[in-house]
Amino acid sequence: AQSVSQHNHHVILSEAASLELGCNYSYGGTVNLFWYVQYPGQHLQLLLKYFSGDPLVKGIKGFEAEFIKSKFSFNLRKPSVQWSDTAEYFCAVTRASGTYKYIFGTGTRLKVLA
Amino acid sequence: DGGITQSPKYLFRKEGQNVTLSCEQNLNHDAMYWYRQDPGQGLRLIYYSQIVNDFQKGDIAEGYSVSREKKESFPLTVTSAQKNPTAFYLCASTSTLGAGELFFGEGSRLTVL
Repeated sequence: AQSVSQHNHHVILSEAASLELGCNYSYGGTVNLFWYVQYPGQHLQLLLKYFSGDPLVKGIKGFEAEFIKSKFSFNLRKPSVQWSDTAEYFCAVTRASGTYKYIFGTGTRLKVLA
Repeated sequence: DGGITQSPKYLFRKEGQNVTLSCEQNLNHDAMYWYRQDPGQGLRLIYYSQIVNDFQKGDIAEGYSVSREKKESFPLTVTSAQKNPTAFYLCASTSTLGAGELFFGEGSRLTVL
């Protein structure tokens, strides 16, 4: 069965610090990968997605993620965080064909200190 | 505006009562999903439907039921058999099966007293 692991449950950073959130998935076939963000009091929205091609994908608000197939990983990065990045971040995976179950990780709560 | 509408936003019910959460989308999406969000557990898939009149169980379907009689609607019933129903419920939809971005509603918070 597919599963997604996010190892960082809570992260606290100061503004301008660099961010890297880990995401590992378990599925041996071809997958599509996503990072979603949930700002306080708002609904989930897409940060970025990977389907195929260049393993380094860029998303909104300066976020990027790198797909490393050999490590089953899709880590999220941002060179310099802002206070407004305080939110909960979710990694998600779905098979690229067959049964389209979108499976989410447990989330990482990021707090950025001004 | 196109989007996903969930109602009610807040719902209080007594233990032992069934409740139905509404999810309507006007995005012309084929696939719809129900998730449950609990602190520290992320989003867990309850049920999903890839086409009208068809749906599949997710990872935590016990105590829940759904129907998909119309493309735009995917209501979720939380039955009295669900042992811990107090939670935040999210509905989502997507157009491109297996590849597309999931669009989410604003959620329904159910509290069972």
